[in-house]
Amino acid sequence: SAVISQKPSRDICQRGTSLTIQCQVDSQVTMMFWYRQQPGQSLTLIATANQGSEATYESGFVIDKFPISRPNLTFSTLTVSNMSPEDSSIYLCSAETGTSGANVLTFGAGSRLTVL
Amino acid sequence: GQNIDQPTEMTATEGAIVQINCTYQTSGFNGLFWYQQHAGEAPTFLSYNVLDGLEEKGRFSSFLSRSKGYSYLLLKELQMKDSASYLCAVRDSNYQLIWGAGTKLIIKP
Repeated sequence: SAVISQKPSRDICQRGTSLTIQCQVDSQVTMMFWYRQQPGQSLTLIATANQGSEATYESGFVIDKFPISRPNLTFSTLTVSNMSPEDSSIYLCSAETGTSGANVLTFGAGSRLTVL
Repeated sequence: GQNIDQPTEMTATEGAIVQINCTYQTSGFNGLFWYQQHAGEAPTFLSYNVLDGLEEKGRFSSFLSRSKGYSYLLLKELQMKDSASYLCAVRDSNYQLIWGAGTKLIIKP
C-alpha cells in the first residue's frame, strides 16, 4: 500500500490565521481525500482532490474556508483559513490504493491543529 | 439517510475473544471496511468484505451479511496492543465511504 507523509504533525495557531497542511504520497494516485476528525468522533470528509480539476467539497465545507491544491498525482495541500477555535481538530489526508481487490484508503499520520 | 451503527465502547480481557458489531443502512453497497485507530494515530486498514461470509486474517476475522446490513469484527487472543478504536465504513452506490463513529475497545489484563 502507499505511504503517505503529512506535515505538520501538529501546530498551535492563533485565531484569524491560516495554516497549510501538506500531503505527499509515494506513488501516483488519482484521488486524494481530506478528512477531519474531532476528538472521540468519526471521520468527516471535507473534500476530494483530483489532479487537474477543482476539488469537490462535501456539504458544510466551502472552498474559501478550505482551499485545496492538487498540482500533481503525488501531492496535495489543504489550507484552513481564518481559523477559529472550532477548527481545532485532526486533519487527515488519504488516498485510495488497490489491495486484495479492494480500493483501500490509506491515511497520513494526521495534523493536529489547536486554535487559540 | 445513511447510517452506520456500532457500539461506542467495549471492554474485554487480555487473551479473550471480542466481537464488535456494525449495522448499516446505506444507499447501495460496494463493500465494507474495518479500520483500527490507536489513540493519536491515523486509521489503518484491517479488512474488507464485499461478499457474504467470513474473512479470516490471523487473529482478526470479519463477517458480512448483506441481507441483514450487518458485519462484525472478531478479535481473538486479545493483546494489550489491541486497545484502540475500530471503525466500520461502508462504500455506497456512489462509491462514497460512509463511516461509523467507531468502537473504543479497552483491553484489561
